[in-house]
Amino acid sequence: DAGVTQSPTHLIKTRGQQVTLRCSPKSGHDTVSWYQQALGQGPQFIFQYYEEEERQRGNFPDRFSGHQYPNYSSELNVNALLLGDSALYLCASSRNRLNEKLFFGSGTQLSVL
Amino acid sequence: AQSVTQLGSHVSVSEGALVLLRCNYSSSVPPYLFWYVQYPNQGLQLLLKYTSAATLVKGINGFEAEFKKSETSFHLTKPSAHMSDAAEYFCAVTRGYNKLIFGAGTRLAVHP
Repeated sequence: DAGVTQSPTHLIKTRGQQVTLRCSPKSGHDTVSWYQQALGQGPQFIFQYYEEEERQRGNFPDRFSGHQYPNYSSELNVNALLLGDSALYLCASSRNRLNEKLFFGSGTQLSVL
Repeated sequence: AQSVTQLGSHVSVSEGALVLLRCNYSSSVPPYLFWYVQYPNQGLQLLLKYTSAATLVKGINGFEAEFKKSETSFHLTKPSAHMSDAAEYFCAVTRGYNKLIFGAGTRLAVHP
């Protein structure tokens, strides 16, 4: 049983560019949450997708947007990249929006130059 | 509102010594509490969780944590550290549909 898979594993972009990160949830999971983990910090909640809609959102600007597909996979898009967007982006999946049993992927390391 | 504070960003112990990582929480509703471990260049792995059943929770790799409501604490312990325990540890809180809120993390170093 594959767990949560994320792609790509590493990405290098320049300021002002746009980036798309992808996530496939664990089998049987229908909810995807995205977290940003800056160097030396704990993960910060970006948003959660369930039934193809954004259900919760953390304190992130509109430059951060997402999408969930009918097969429950999800994308995180970041526009107009800033140096401060450099971080590890983690995807987590669960069932029925509940956060009591989150499974995390290995993350995408984004570097903005 | 919910929040988590991890006391000590770095903890260093000798192999075989007791591991104690501290976590205090703030929550306006009965919390669910978690400890996650993160090894270098990897995602987060759940060590253990408290969801209002037994206050002493046992997890993987010999770790355990005790929920103390009176102290608003959920400290993580392991009787005897192993070199493979060296990693970053995160305490987190949530309840129901609320987002998972993480502490800043504690980096555990284990030396021979």
